[in-house]
Amino acid sequence: EVQLVESGGGLVQPGGSLRLSCAVSGFTVSTKYMSWVRQAPGKGLEWVSLLYSGGITYYGDSVKGRFTISRDKSKNTLYLQMNSLRPEDTAVYYCTRDSGAARYGMDVWGQGTTVTVSS
Amino acid sequence: QSALTQPASVSGSPGQSITISCTGTSSDVGGYNYVSWYQQYPGKAPKLIIYEVSNRPSGVSNRFSGSKSDNTASLTISGLQAEDEADYYCGSYTRNYTRVFGGGTKLTVL
Repeated sequence: EVQLVESGGGLVQPGGSLRLSCAVSGFTVSTKYMSWVRQAPGKGLEWVSLLYSGGITYYGDSVKGRFTISRDKSKNTLYLQMNSLRPEDTAVYYCTRDSGAARYGMDVWGQGTTVTVSS
Repeated sequence: QSALTQPASVSGSPGQSITISCTGTSSDVGGYNYVSWYQQYPGKAPKLIIYEVSNRPSGVSNRFSGSKSDNTASLTISGLQAEDEADYYCGSYTRNYTRVFGGGTKLTVL
């Protein structure tokens, strides 16, 4: 069964760091494009970061220079390292499979993990 | 990376058809046939319902259809049902190899 399970969310102070994990099952993380998408409370979806199968990474303007996407083939896991966190980074973070069975569509989503940045 | 433009809300009665628009630019919606649509219920993760402008993933009702003209994509839901009440988001590939979403549309079934 294809599944994504996020973990690592929590409460962190402004300026702090957090690493989110996304455990992948049912396919190999290194063979697909993978994205992180976030949703602030009561707001819409915001694309955060993308890791192409070839290893190239992209980031949204609001997180560029602060967040890093990566993967571990041996653990079949996707990560999002978040540094210099700001209150506006507070959101539910979703891990998604991008362009799996649907070209440039996110066809598999995790359940989300909540990040709260507050003092 | 400006968000795509969607109406904040739409409504319709059971059995009717509604259309949600999604307006971008030639750098995203207008430049590629890579528009997708997502349905989200409160407290749940989004679900892909349309990809590549008009393709439906397996298991998605054929009451959902998509189209595009120039820089505007559209999602049409026909034969509206109570279970269609949800938030709907469009998404697009961009010329910078990134992704962008619309602001979302709340569908109310009257």
